[in-house]
Amino acid sequence: EEYLVESGGGLVQPGRALRLSCATSGFTFVDFAMHWVRQVPGKGPQWVSSINWNGDSTAYADSVKGRFTISRDNAKSSLYLQMNSLRPEDTAFYYCAKAPNWGNAPYYFDSWGQGIQVTVSS
Amino acid sequence: EIVLTQSPGSLSLSPGERATLSCRASRGVSSDYLAWYQQKPGQSPKLLIYGASTRATGIPDRFSGSGSSKDFTLTISRLEPEDFAVYFCQQYGLAPLTFGQGTRLEIK
Repeated sequence: EEYLVESGGGLVQPGRALRLSCATSGFTFVDFAMHWVRQVPGKGPQWVSSINWNGDSTAYADSVKGRFTISRDNAKSSLYLQMNSLRPEDTAFYYCAKAPNWGNAPYYFDSWGQGIQVTVSS
Repeated sequence: EIVLTQSPGSLSLSPGERATLSCRASRGVSSDYLAWYQQKPGQSPKLLIYGASTRATGIPDRFSGSGSSKDFTLTISRLEPEDFAVYFCQQYGLAPLTFGQGTRLEIK
């Protein structure tokens, strides 16, 4: 069975930074693109960022471009999201998600983590 | 970006009944790159359907997807108690990938 476990969330003041991690197991991490998706309760999910299998191609939603950086460590089967200059509108539940392909083109997600709350507030 | 509009916003039905959920795209979704997810309270979304009509691994055949271009439908043929949840559609034919706002399926 595939497992994705997020960590690193919490309460942070506007303008500060936070780094999310996603530890994975149960599949060959290096074979798949990975994504971050966020969701505000009662709303539909919103795609945030994606990274291809080896990390040399990334993509970002316009709302986070220039502030967030996605990365991965294939040796540790882990995914990361460095979030800088956080804003109140970044408050959401953040999920890491696996796409059953290796490139970072738009795709569907066949495995999701349990998610982690990020709250940006003074 | 492609905006996905789901209808109805909520649906009240009884176990055993048939549920029909709609997802309309603001422009045609290329190659029918549309997926459906189920989300229960406190849980992450679960993939049900991809490619508009292909069931994901382990999904019961009471779930079916249909449609093309701008109009897609998720049908649950006979509702089981565990099917009452929120359902989202997602397009992945054009960057950025986008989700609908969801349909809440409630027990009547």
